[in-house]
Amino acid sequence: DAMVIQNPRYQVTQFGKPVTLSCSQTLNHNVMYWYQQKSSQAPKLLFHYYDKDFNNEADTPDNFQSRRPNTSFCFLDIRSPGLGDAAMYLCATSRDLGMVLGYPDTQYFGPGTRLTVL
Amino acid sequence: SQQGEEDPQALSIQEGENATMNCSYKTSINNLQWYRQNSGRGLVHLILIRSNEREKHSGRLRVTLDTSKKSSSLLITASRAADTASYFCATGNDMRFGAGTRLTVKP
Repeated sequence: DAMVIQNPRYQVTQFGKPVTLSCSQTLNHNVMYWYQQKSSQAPKLLFHYYDKDFNNEADTPDNFQSRRPNTSFCFLDIRSPGLGDAAMYLCATSRDLGMVLGYPDTQYFGPGTRLTVL
Repeated sequence: SQQGEEDPQALSIQEGENATMNCSYKTSINNLQWYRQNSGRGLVHLILIRSNEREKHSGRLRVTLDTSKKSSSLLITASRAADTASYFCATGNDMRFGAGTRLTVKP
């Protein structure tokens, strides 16, 4: 039973053409995260939603935006993809937020979407 | 924010051998988590060890935590080819990942 679902698994877009990646969860978790992971590197946190509160990492480019219309869904919008944005994009959820709990909560990851920019 | 740092970066062993990976961190923690990532896939939570625990077991996994040295180790015993993956530690309330250890288990 899939808990964190990402669609599509593989996405090809053209340089400068907007693209949206989708994530949904069946866990009813409060927090949803988006990570970017390039080859052989650690996942890099882009931003997260705590309920409807959006938290952007300081070094996340303006080119990346996110929407969370409801608890279950979260979208990653890349407004003008560049060649350097080709990567695996991972969505994750957690029941609560480490900042609230005072300790990091366990994250549940989706399978990722691999983005290719031509 | 703090971030775990794993070593070695890459580890190659034969099936049946034990694999040990280490994670160091910089500031005090409440817990430390280990995750596994198969190539091209999402991360899977393996085990969580709390700051007041020194050792924890889960199947063939053994995790130790030394808060005085700010380090943790993940031991996989009797490794299998299916254990081939990258292993990450995560610390900090904001869940920052280290670069990971790429483990290859040769059949």
